[in-house]
Amino acid sequence: GAGVSQSPRYKVAKRGQDVALRCDPISGHVSLFWYQQALGQGPEFLTYFQNEAQLDKSGLPSDRFFAERPEGSVSTLKIQRTQQEDSAVYLCASSLENNEQFFGPGTRLTVL
Amino acid sequence: TQLLEQSPQFLSIQEGENLTVYCNSSSVFSSLQWYRQEPGEGPVLLVTVVTGGEVKKLKRLTFQFGDARKDSSLHITAAQTGDTGLYLCAGEENDYKLSFGAGTTVTVRA
Repeated sequence: GAGVSQSPRYKVAKRGQDVALRCDPISGHVSLFWYQQALGQGPEFLTYFQNEAQLDKSGLPSDRFFAERPEGSVSTLKIQRTQQEDSAVYLCASSLENNEQFFGPGTRLTVL
Repeated sequence: TQLLEQSPQFLSIQEGENLTVYCNSSSVFSSLQWYRQEPGEGPVLLVTVVTGGEVKKLKRLTFQFGDARKDSSLHITAAQTGDTGLYLCAGEENDYKLSFGAGTTVTVRA
């Protein structure tokens, strides 16, 4: 398919472990977004890339969260020393410039 | 913290009935979007409304944007079981940042 893909779809981590979540955007999409969706809530903005430049990281909850997109395509969201409150679905979206955002299926992270 | 408040939080109706979902904010947005999200999937855009007072129709779905561009509603006529899902509204804060409501879970019973 030509949609946004994310991997893994499910991740279980022990508290204190580091995790890395991958997003493959739609080919040619300049903009990439990460969101966090807690149970029973809507997505909350985490960070925004335009090509390889991270233009807004104001939504990252703490310095344990780090995102990168080194070649302007695939992006990785890394969470260090995971805590139980990090349990959520992490959604990635991409768009051509800043048009309609197309969302991936998300990665469900459970921290035990 | 979500700038947009959606109501009701849950809605369960019989197939064939009508329903309305509301999205309210104290902030003005340049545009407002409605999404539907199914379990295990990401949100899918249904519509974008831009102009205050705008009404858009998408088959059995009618979307309204308030005159002051702070609130919106989604009305579904003659709901079908395929309309079941989480309906999210999102306000566009600037040219890239979306602020989502908490969503309304709609269940349409056969």
